[in-house]
Formats: sequence, structure tokens, C-alpha cells
Amino acid sequence: GENVEQHPSTLSVQEGDSAVIKCTYSDSASNYFPWYKQELGKRPQLIIDIRSNVGEKKDQRIAVTLNKTAKHFSLHITETQPEDSAVYFCAARDQGGKLIFGQGTELSVKP
Amino acid sequence: EAGVTQFPSHSVIEKGQTVTLRCDPISGHDNLYWYRRVMGKEIKFLLHFVKESKQDESGMPNNRFLAERTGGTYSTLKVQPAELEDSGVYFCASSQDKVAIYFGEGSWLTVV
Repeated sequence: GENVEQHPSTLSVQEGDSAVIKCTYSDSASNYFPWYKQELGKRPQLIIDIRSNVGEKKDQRIAVTLNKTAKHFSLHITETQPEDSAVYFCAARDQGGKLIFGQGTELSVKP
Repeated sequence: EAGVTQFPSHSVIEKGQTVTLRCDPISGHDNLYWYRRVMGKEIKFLLHFVKESKQDESGMPNNRFLAERTGGTYSTLKVQPAELEDSGVYFCASSQDKVAIYFGEGSWLTVV
């Protein structure tokens, strides 16, 4: 079955710097890759997603890239702000339609 | 439009007791998922309903866990008897098209 690995587990950046979180997946049949942000005590919220027929997608300060050949995808946050501090999860949708999540990255943006 | 709602938000029970968690999906969403996050680890898949049918229950840890979705609306997840390792946050999620999946706030379960 699908397996998703996510790195790093923790990431600390200064406000204004960029943050990059990387994920790899194992099943080449996976075709949808969402990213979720979970603030403390809140629900995971979808922030951006990418399908396998696209290499890159941007939404304001957030971008996601996908390399199908290498089976990895990354989240890029530019001009980070303290409110970006949260746990970020990558996921891959398997052939059955369920999401398989990475281990999560705790991002801390220091003012 | 109401989001996915879960009840209770927090529950503390003793080992050996029973707990039932409830999830109300977004209205009209046929797909309902249960996930669990144990402290510091990944969000792990438990079960997927399509309407009232269990499409995939490969993530259910053992037979102490029972999920139901009678009538294809809300779902319950019962843990009986609870063990210490069952502690964690249980998330319910729903989807209309299996693409955009929306999560509830989670039910925090602590077994002592």
C-alpha cells in the first residue's frame, strides 16, 4: 500500500524567511496530494493541493511542487509570518480513495 | 453550511470502560472517514464509509473498535473495552467526491 514520508519533523524559521517541507510517496498510482495545516487544538485544514498532471501550483505565499518521476512533493511557504506556525501534514490519495498522511512537520515562525 | 461536527470534543475514561464517539458529516457527503492521531505521530486512517457501507476498514486496530453509519448519515465509533494505547485524537472527515476531504475538530480521548 501507499506510504508517505515527511521531513523535517520540526522546522524553526525567522519571520520573513521561507520554509520548505518535503514528502515522498511510494505508490506511483497515487494522483492527488493535499497539504493540511493544523493549528493547536483545531481541525486539519486543507491549504493547497496538487494533482499528478500538474508540476507546480501557487496560492499567494504558498506553493506546492510535484515530481512524479522521483515520487516526491514539497510545500513552500514564502515570507513566513507568526500565524503560519502550526503542524503541516502532507498526504497522498491511494487507489481506494483514502488519504495516507505523512508524519507531520511542526513549523515555528519566530517574530 | 455546517462543517463536520464531532462529539464529544474531549473524553477521559478509565481503562476497560467504553466510549462512543459521534461524527456528523457535511450534509450530502456520502464519504465518511475516521482517522486517529496518537501524540506526535501521523494521522492514521481507520475506516471509510460510502453511505452506510464500509468501503475500507483496513486501518481498524482490532475488534475492540466498532464503527457504524446506520442510514448513511452520522457515524459512531465505539471503543470497548478501552486500553491505554487507544488515547489520541480521533478525527472524522467527509467528502462528496473523495477529492476535497474536510475534517472535524476531533475527539480527544484519554484513557487512564
